Amino acid sequence: ETGVTQTPRHLVMGMTNKKSLKCEQHLGHNAMYWYKQSAKKPLELMFVYNFKEQTENNSVPSRFSPECPNSSHLFLHLHTLQPEDSALYLCASSQDGGSQHFGDGTRLSIL
Amino acid sequence: KNEVEQSPQNLTAQEGEFITINCSYSVGISALHWLQQHPGGGIVSLFMLSSGKKKHGRLIATINIQEKHSSLHITASHPRDSAVYICAVSQWGTSGSRLTFGEGTQLTVNP
Repeated sequence: ETGVTQTPRHLVMGMTNKKSLKCEQHLGHNAMYWYKQSAKKPLELMFVYNFKEQTENNSVPSRFSPECPNSSHLFLHLHTLQPEDSALYLCASSQDGGSQHFGDGTRLSIL
Repeated sequence: KNEVEQSPQNLTAQEGEFITINCSYSVGISALHWLQQHPGGGIVSLFMLSSGKKKHGRLIATINIQEKHSSLHITASHPRDSAVYICAVSQWGTSGSRLTFGEGTQLTVNP
């Protein structure tokens, strides 16, 4: 039990589909993050939310749309993705710049 | 050149061996993190340190701020230690703590 839960664990979708990834943290943290991990590449930061406000967008294409309705929930809405978007998407949370707690990730495959 | 470099990329050891993984970085940091990622994808934070040395069980992490270098040591290695070990550094930015990751070291411990 990591305290950060991601659903679904696996997702296969076509390039024209719309889907959403969900992340929920039960740790009372005030910051949440989306990361992308492609094969053979380091983790890449996508978005950061502090107190529900987006504070960083790391030049992510608009086909990825984050949503943070409250400090415990974070979504990543996906639309018209490309094959190169196939990757492991990890959510994390932290409190005041402390250690980040990661979820188990959603493995996304684009057909 | 990545801001965070790890070596080696791959490491195979026999059970019981002493293991060292190295991390060098080229930017100013507020802290350095060692993370462990198992094949399923989930990431666990092992250490967060800004100076000196920390120990947890068979794991030891050290950092030399002047040399911008950190090491992760595993004593009496065991097959269950097989995983990817990732070094990451925190840099303070407008969003609070922003992590930059190394490419990871794949460790395999054989019985």
